[in-house]
Amino acid sequence: QQQVKQSPQSLIVQKGGISIINCAYENTAFDYFPWYQQFPGKGPALLIAIRPDVSEKKEGRFTISFNKSAKQFSLHIMDSQPGDSATYFCAASKRTGFQKLVFGTGTRLLVSP
Amino acid sequence: DTEVTQTPKHLVMGMTNKKSLKCEQHMGHRAMYWYKQKAKKPPELMFVYSYEKLSINESVPSRFSPECPNSSLLNLHLHALQPEDSALYLCASSQSPGLELTEQFFGPGTRLTVL
Repeated sequence: QQQVKQSPQSLIVQKGGISIINCAYENTAFDYFPWYQQFPGKGPALLIAIRPDVSEKKEGRFTISFNKSAKQFSLHIMDSQPGDSATYFCAASKRTGFQKLVFGTGTRLLVSP
Repeated sequence: DTEVTQTPKHLVMGMTNKKSLKCEQHMGHRAMYWYKQKAKKPPELMFVYSYEKLSINESVPSRFSPECPNSSLLNLHLHALQPEDSALYLCASSQSPGLELTEQFFGPGTRLTVL
């Protein structure tokens, strides 16, 4: 019940294309869903996060879509750029308490020039 | 200052050595975390400190010993490690537990190699 499943494991997208990464969770107590971006040799950095009271959140080229009934959420990267090449982790946690993030398995994104 | 700093960046140690990892933040955060990350895997939570007290220990072996000497500092003391403990050790911090804002800020990590 604590798992967060993430797909695909790796993704190659052409410059200017749309990158889509999907995640599914089981624990209905989760109410905070962040996406982290990690470059090689660096720590993860928060990209965007959503709460289950909204179905979509957009920040620049990054959009989270959230489907509460299906217990799924996804990250869309519009106009993908080579600088977006990184590993992306979805995560889930409760908003309060000790904020134990449960991470997905990660998606390695490569945006080809 | 929205940065979590970690030292050293790289550490190589033998199985009989004792070493420490250091993490520092000056954002006034009162929750601090240690994670372990193996190559091509997500971070795995090890410890959570809340208001300088150990709140969560995810069944981590005793050869890892955390310490939070004050609200800005978090240490991880290492002793008698095994080669399988080689990994990227990440520190993170967030505002006080119980508040709505939950963003965890991660440091760059310490790359640990155990020979």
